[in-house]
Amino acid sequence: DAGVIQSPRHEVTEMGQEVTLRCKPISGHDYLFWYRQTMMRGLELLIYFNNNVPIDDSGMPEDRFSAKMPNASFSTLKIQPSEPRDSAVYFCASSKGGYGNQPQHFGDGTRLSIL
Amino acid sequence: AQKVTQAQTEISVVEKEDVTLDCVYETRDTTYYLFWYKQPPSGELVFLIRRNSFDEQNEISGRYSWNFQKSTSSFNFTITASQVVDSAVYFCALSEAQGNDYKLSFGAGTTVTVRA
Repeated sequence: DAGVIQSPRHEVTEMGQEVTLRCKPISGHDYLFWYRQTMMRGLELLIYFNNNVPIDDSGMPEDRFSAKMPNASFSTLKIQPSEPRDSAVYFCASSKGGYGNQPQHFGDGTRLSIL
Repeated sequence: AQKVTQAQTEISVVEKEDVTLDCVYETRDTTYYLFWYKQPPSGELVFLIRRNSFDEQNEISGRYSWNFQKSTSSFNFTITASQVVDSAVYFCALSEAQGNDYKLSFGAGTTVTVRA
């Protein structure tokens, strides 16, 4: 079975540019999560969706960040305009059901570098 | 306040030694779930094990075993007879109710280096 698929794996861009990260969750999973990982702050939950609807975006750092899930098989995380402090590894994860016993399955991550 | 504490930042062992990773969590919920994830040098996060709050039976799965003690809020993880491929960052995580859903809180991770 295919796991969570993220693209691109690496992104290097200059500050001020728009960045779009993409995620395809595991088929049949109704929860989708976006995380950011940095050395300073570890793994942080940015936003999560249930059945394509954003439930909690309290982790989104600021208005420059936005996320969408137009259908059950695709989500995007957009940063506009990007800043050097946005450099991090961004993970997408999905799970079946919101019950806490269901493990979240993670993609390989997108390593983002903003110059 | 940190919900999940992994006091060990780094552990270095020689191959075939056992490695025990400590995890202490904090929650007011009576129903919660605990997980261990592995992040190898390639960067992906891999789910390893799960335990719920009402089952304190400790288990062994291959070279992995875990010790869950509610009385001390600890969920320790042991790798027996470590191998070089076990070198990775290991994260302990707590899943607790947030409204109608559950949220996962991760510890800071413990870097395990297994030397040949």
